[in-house]
Amino acid sequence: KNQVEQSPQSLIILEGKNCTLQCNYTVSPFSNLRWYKQDTGRGPVSLTIMTFSENTKSNGRYTATLDADTKQSSLHITASQLSDSASYICVVSAYQAGTALIFGKGTTLSVSS
Amino acid sequence: NAGVTQTPKFQVLKTGQSMTLQCAQDMNHNSMYWYRQDPGMGLRLIYYSASEGTTDKGEVPNGYNVSRLNKREFSLRLESAAPSQTSVYFCASSSSIAGGVTDTQYFGPGTRLTVL
Repeated sequence: KNQVEQSPQSLIILEGKNCTLQCNYTVSPFSNLRWYKQDTGRGPVSLTIMTFSENTKSNGRYTATLDADTKQSSLHITASQLSDSASYICVVSAYQAGTALIFGKGTTLSVSS
Repeated sequence: NAGVTQTPKFQVLKTGQSMTLQCAQDMNHNSMYWYRQDPGMGLRLIYYSASEGTTDKGEVPNGYNVSRLNKREFSLRLESAAPSQTSVYFCASSSSIAGGVTDTQYFGPGTRLTVL
């Protein structure tokens, strides 16, 4: 069964600190992996999209890594800001007819001052 | 550009009532989607439309119908609302089907629906 598991479920860090969120998946055949940021009360916004051949991609202070062999991805946030407080969702896409995006349940990050 | 817009933002229904959630995008995207998001669960696909004139069921289609009115608009209808349909509903769009391609999906702000 295609699944995406994220950890931790929630995380609290101090402003200015770094953090890393994890995503493990069992999706086949794998096409690409996406990270979204969802602010409270709003729709998800895409941060990065990585294909099989890419093992790292950055978007400002956000850096995503992908290990397709171990089927793991991480999202590293550098020098966190209060505005980083949000839910971060890992989404894996499979090659198949129609649309096949499998969403993780998300990690809720709280950045405090 | 407004991106993806949804109406209404909030709605309260009684069991058995019907309603239609509206979604429009101004990015000339071919593909559109309806998701629901429940506490503690990931986003789940209800229906999608790969292109104008086509619609297909997603993971949780029971109790819903959709209409791709034109390239811009994709509506979701609840014919007889049930408390289990209390959720936040998101519409999204992309250039093409977001399966084997890397097109970004753009999401609307959501509709918060409560069924009593």
